[in-house]
Formats: sequence, structure tokens, C-alpha cells
Amino acid sequence: GAGVSQSPSNKVTEKGKDVELRCDPISGHTALYWYRQSLGQGLEFLIYFQGNSAPDKSGLPSDRFSAERTGGSVSTLTIQRTQQEDSAVYLCASSLPQRRTPHNEQFFGPGTRLTVL
Amino acid sequence: AQSVTQLGSHVSVSEGALVLLRCNYSSSVPPYLFWYVQYPNQGLQLLLKYTTGATLVKGINGFEAEFKKSETSFHLTKPSAHMSDAAEYFCAVSASFGNEKLTFGTGTRLTIIP
Repeated sequence: GAGVSQSPSNKVTEKGKDVELRCDPISGHTALYWYRQSLGQGLEFLIYFQGNSAPDKSGLPSDRFSAERTGGSVSTLTIQRTQQEDSAVYLCASSLPQRRTPHNEQFFGPGTRLTVL
Repeated sequence: AQSVTQLGSHVSVSEGALVLLRCNYSSSVPPYLFWYVQYPNQGLQLLLKYTTGATLVKGINGFEAEFKKSETSFHLTKPSAHMSDAAEYFCAVSASFGNEKLTFGTGTRLTIIP
């Protein structure tokens, strides 16, 4: 079946512009996570959704970052007024409803590579 | 809070030799532990995980890892390296309750020498 998909695969933008990154999780996966992978910081958690609500936003680095999820499916990560330090690969993962088993495996998408000039 | 330390950002082994990638963790609650592999320009793929039960866990592609609570370690091994094992490997931890966000180590790039 289809895995987690992300779009665009690559995004180049100018400093100060806003960008939107999209994640389509595996059908039936109610948990969705965003992570960021950058040279300086490694892999960092950004935000977690259970359904359409985000009980854990603790990893969002600033108020320029926001995310939403609609219909319990697609999620969009928005970065406003992009800065060069936002350049990174943004990874999305999804998993089955929490606590169905001792830790449900997170399935990762291929990521969106964001370059801020 | 959880954290992970991976010793060695780069590891090179000869084809056919033992692979050993080190991971130590810190967790204020009983942890769940994971190893992920990332091939170039691809997302992360789960190799294996420890949640409960047997402390020696076997994963895909011949990899295994042993959870040692007394040493707070979860090292990844494979008896005989193959060229296709060349990739970046990430150790990760999550809490055994609450949401299951992963805290990753900084990764180890494995190179296989022909």
C-alpha cells in the first residue's frame, strides 16, 4: 500500500518568504509527527498530532512555525518569514492510534528539503 | 526527559567484518529504544525496536541489538557487513507512556570497505 508522502520534495525560497510543506499520512494512521533534520541539530521533534489536535507542540522552534491537520489526515507545516537557519529536511511520520501496541511503529515519508537563500 | 548519545559519527568496516554501532541513552522513565536506517535521499526505516520482554532484539537485514539497562546501552550489531549496509544509522528513544515522539541521536554514517 501507499506509504507516507510529502510534497514538495524540494523547496527553494528566499529569506523572508512563507512556505507550506504538506504531509499525507498512511490511511488509518491517526498519529502524525513532524521532525526536522539539519546539519547542525540532527533529527529534532517538532510537533505531534493525534487526530486533528496537537497535544505536543514543544519542538516548534519559534512562533514562525505552525502546523495544522484537517480531517484527521493531511497535515501542513507552515514556516513564516523564513530564515536561513530554517534550511533543513522536514520529515513527517505517521502511526496507528496511540497505544494499540507497545509503541506503534512510526512510518516516515521521504522528506521535504527546504533551502532558504 | 530522554536523550541519546551515539559514539562515532563515522564508522568504517570491511565487507564481511562485524558491525558495531554504539548507542547510550538517558531516560527518566522506562524507555522504548529504536534503531533506524536512512539511505541517501530516503526517509527513515525502522531496523528494530525494544519495548518490553526479551532484551536481545532481532531486526531486518540481519541486525540485532541488546538492551542493557545497567549500562544504559542499546548497541547495534551485525556479524558480517554487506556493501548494501552502507547508510546512516540513528538510535532513538521514546517514553514508555505519553505520546510516542522520538528523541534521536546524532547518527552514525557506516561505510563498508570492499
